[in-house]
Amino acid sequence: AQSVTQPDIHITVSEGASLELRCNYSYGATPYLFWYVQSPGQGLQLLLKYFSGDTLVQGIKGFEAEFKRSQSSFNLRKPSVHWSDAAEYFCAVLNEGGTSYGKLTFGQGTILTVHP
Amino acid sequence: NAGVTQTPKFQVLKTGQSMTLQCAQDMNHEYMSWYRQDPGMGLRLIHYSVGAGITDQGEVPNGYNVSRSTTEDFPLRLLSAAPSQTSVYFCASSAPDRDETQYFGPGTRLLVL
Repeated sequence: AQSVTQPDIHITVSEGASLELRCNYSYGATPYLFWYVQSPGQGLQLLLKYFSGDTLVQGIKGFEAEFKRSQSSFNLRKPSVHWSDAAEYFCAVLNEGGTSYGKLTFGQGTILTVHP
Repeated sequence: NAGVTQTPKFQVLKTGQSMTLQCAQDMNHEYMSWYRQDPGMGLRLIHYSVGAGITDQGEVPNGYNVSRSTTEDFPLRLLSAAPSQTSVYFCASSAPDRDETQYFGPGTRLLVL
């Protein structure tokens, strides 16, 4: 069965610093990968997604992610963090085939704290 | 488009009570699903539907029922609430044949005493 691991439960960075959130997946075929962000008390907002093609994908709010098949990773990055980026971030993989078609499997989430 | 809407936003129940969490979408999406979110566990799939009249179980279906009589609506029923069902519930929808992105509602926060 597919799985997603986010090794970091909580990350703290200073405003203006760079950010990398890690995501590793286990999936037999070429994965469809997503990053979602959840601000406190809010729903989930899609940051970016990877289906195929260029392995470096750009998203909203200045985020990008790189798909590395050899490492089974899809890490999220941002060159300069803003205080408004403080939120919880979720990595997810989509099932494409059979009876699991359309299902999303989520990682445990990474809480980002931004210090001024 | 309103997107995915959920009602209520917050609910308190006593153990053994029943209730229905409502979910609706106006994007003509075939696929709809319910997740629960608990601290440190991410989102876990409860039930999903690939179209009107078709539903199936997800990862944590026990204690929950669903039905899909229309494309737009996908209610989640708790027949006899338990404290273990205290959680935040999210509904999502997508059109897998057009765009694999799942769009999420704002969530329902449920407290079972």
